[in-house]
Amino acid sequence: EPEVTQTPSHQVTQMGQEVILRCVPISNHLYFYWYRQILGQKVEFLVSFYNNEISEKSEIFDDQFSVERPDGSNFTLKIRSTKLEDSAMYFCAITHRDPDTQYFGPGTRLTVL
Amino acid sequence: GESVGLHLPTLSVQEGDNSIINCAYSNSASDYFIWYKQESGKGPQFIIDIRSNMDKRQGQRVTVLLNKTVKHLSLQIAATQPGDSAVYFCAENENSGYALNFGKGTSLLVTP
Repeated sequence: EPEVTQTPSHQVTQMGQEVILRCVPISNHLYFYWYRQILGQKVEFLVSFYNNEISEKSEIFDDQFSVERPDGSNFTLKIRSTKLEDSAMYFCAITHRDPDTQYFGPGTRLTVL
Repeated sequence: GESVGLHLPTLSVQEGDNSIINCAYSNSASDYFIWYKQESGKGPQFIIDIRSNMDKRQGQRVTVLLNKTVKHLSLQIAATQPGDSAVYFCAENENSGYALNFGKGTSLLVTP
């Protein structure tokens, strides 16, 4: 199974602050995704990224969110001005050779106070 | 205090028994289906997948069945072990690379 790590594992921030979550793929991957999971709820899609641009995004992914892969390695999710309701687990997912099978990272727990 | 969030359906089985976890989907255009296992505090872990041109696929101790007529997907786990205790999610999408739509999840509890 392709490996992907995420940093930090836990981020605590004040409401209104900017946060950057990072996804570090181990090998060359095809698609990149961000999903979030509010405590006790199902996993929700945020955005997909292919060939250095956004290929699909959900209604959750509003102007406060952005993604980039600045150095061709790390894939980042930025939340410009965090809200209390942004508190959730954020998962990065990737596809490898098979464009369908999405493998998830361990997640970053974001807590907004 | 009041709890917020979904009340997950729970399946409780004895160690060694077979488990069947069910999932219904609504999108007739769904082309690809996947089962994930999620342990507490961890990310979803891939178990098995199936495409819409198949109705059954087997892995190690797991089998996925797809009934497109009634839009139903199931995951069968043979000889369930305590390590199988987790929340299981089904997910689907219409095309390669597209976003996965996740189901609400089922909590599997394996008792000795």
